[in-house]
Amino acid sequence: AQSVTQPDIHITVSEGASLELRCNYSYGATPYLFWYVQSPGQGLQLLLKYFSGDTLVQGIKGFEAEFKRSQSSFNLRKPSVHWSDAAEYFCAVAEDNAGNMLTFGGGTRLMVKP
Amino acid sequence: DVKVTQSSRYLVKRTGEKVFLECVQDMDHENMFWYRQDPGLGLRLIYFSYDVKMKEKGDIPEGYSVSREKKERFSLILESASTNQTSMYLCASSFPEGSETQYFGPGTRLLVL
Repeated sequence: AQSVTQPDIHITVSEGASLELRCNYSYGATPYLFWYVQSPGQGLQLLLKYFSGDTLVQGIKGFEAEFKRSQSSFNLRKPSVHWSDAAEYFCAVAEDNAGNMLTFGGGTRLMVKP
Repeated sequence: DVKVTQSSRYLVKRTGEKVFLECVQDMDHENMFWYRQDPGLGLRLIYFSYDVKMKEKGDIPEGYSVSREKKERFSLILESASTNQTSMYLCASSFPEGSETQYFGPGTRLLVL
């Protein structure tokens, strides 16, 4: 069975600093990979996704993620964090031909210091 | 824009009550999903449906049932609510291919006393 690990439960960064959120997955074939963000009291919003092609994926709000097959990783990055980026971030993986079922990581809560 | 709505943002129920959570999507998506979200555990799939009147168990179906009588509506039912079902419940919908995005509703925070 596939699994997703987000090793960092909480991360605190200063506004303007760079950010990297880690995501590791366990899956035999090439996965479909997603990053979602959940602002307080809200549902999940898609930031970006990877399913083929260029391994560096650009998303909304200035986020990007890089798929590294050799490391089974799909880390999320942003060069300069804004206070409005404070939220919970979820990495997820889907299998091909499995009806679009997602397996989620446990989430990383990002706090931004002024 | 895709819109997924959930009938309640907050619910308070008593142990043993029957609870209905409703979800409606307006994008003609075939797939609909119910998750529960608990701190540190991420989202766990309860049930999903890939067509009207079709349903499949997810990872944690015990204590829950679902109903999908119309394509746009997917209901989650707690037959006899228990305190360990206190949680955030999220509904999502999507087209069926693996690369497709799931779109989420705002969630229902359920407290069972």
